[in-house]
Amino acid sequence: DAGVIQSPRHEVTEMGQEVTLRCKPISGHDYLFWYRQTMMRGLELLIYFNNNVPIDDSGMPEDRFSAKMPNASFSTLKIQPSEPRDSAVYFCASSFLAGVQETQYFGPGTRLLVL
Amino acid sequence: DAKTTQPPSMDCAEGRAANLPCNHSTISGNEYVYWYRQIHSQGPQYIIHGLKNNETNEMASLIITEDRKSSTLILPHATLRDTAVYYCIVVYRSGDMRFGAGTRLTVKP
Repeated sequence: DAGVIQSPRHEVTEMGQEVTLRCKPISGHDYLFWYRQTMMRGLELLIYFNNNVPIDDSGMPEDRFSAKMPNASFSTLKIQPSEPRDSAVYFCASSFLAGVQETQYFGPGTRLLVL
Repeated sequence: DAKTTQPPSMDCAEGRAANLPCNHSTISGNEYVYWYRQIHSQGPQYIIHGLKNNETNEMASLIITEDRKSSTLILPHATLRDTAVYYCIVVYRSGDMRFGAGTRLTVKP
């Protein structure tokens, strides 16, 4: 398996532009997680899905952020409009439920810079 | 509200065992102890997890005290490639996983 795939790997955009980050989870995994990592705040969980349904979005910073999972093999995280403070590394992770425990497998991340 | 306490940094000599401690005095009976690590610029990588028994896999060993209030991750023969930030996380369900600041382990030649 190729692991969790994220695209793009790097994104530079200007303030006010729309940014779309993409994630392909590991095949067969039924959980998908979006994280954001910054020097100041560390690694934060933004939202996670189970069987394509959003379960907990309490970590989404504000209405400018939205996430979708239209099918089991694809998810997007959209920022509109983007702001310089959104600059961070965004990670996607997936897992499957084995008993009551799941191990999360992370993608390589998307490095976003908003100018 | 941090559930775990880890030292911010540690050094280890190459080839020696690296012992990374974690305190989790408020752990609940159904919460697991997970360890992940993050090598510079990469996504976090799962290492090991346990409930109350000691666990071992090809990467590391996890020693959990009998009262479950603390644990130690052991890398038996640390290499330079083990230099990373190591996260100890206490959680019941993966969706509740919260990463703290972790321990920055530096393996020195």
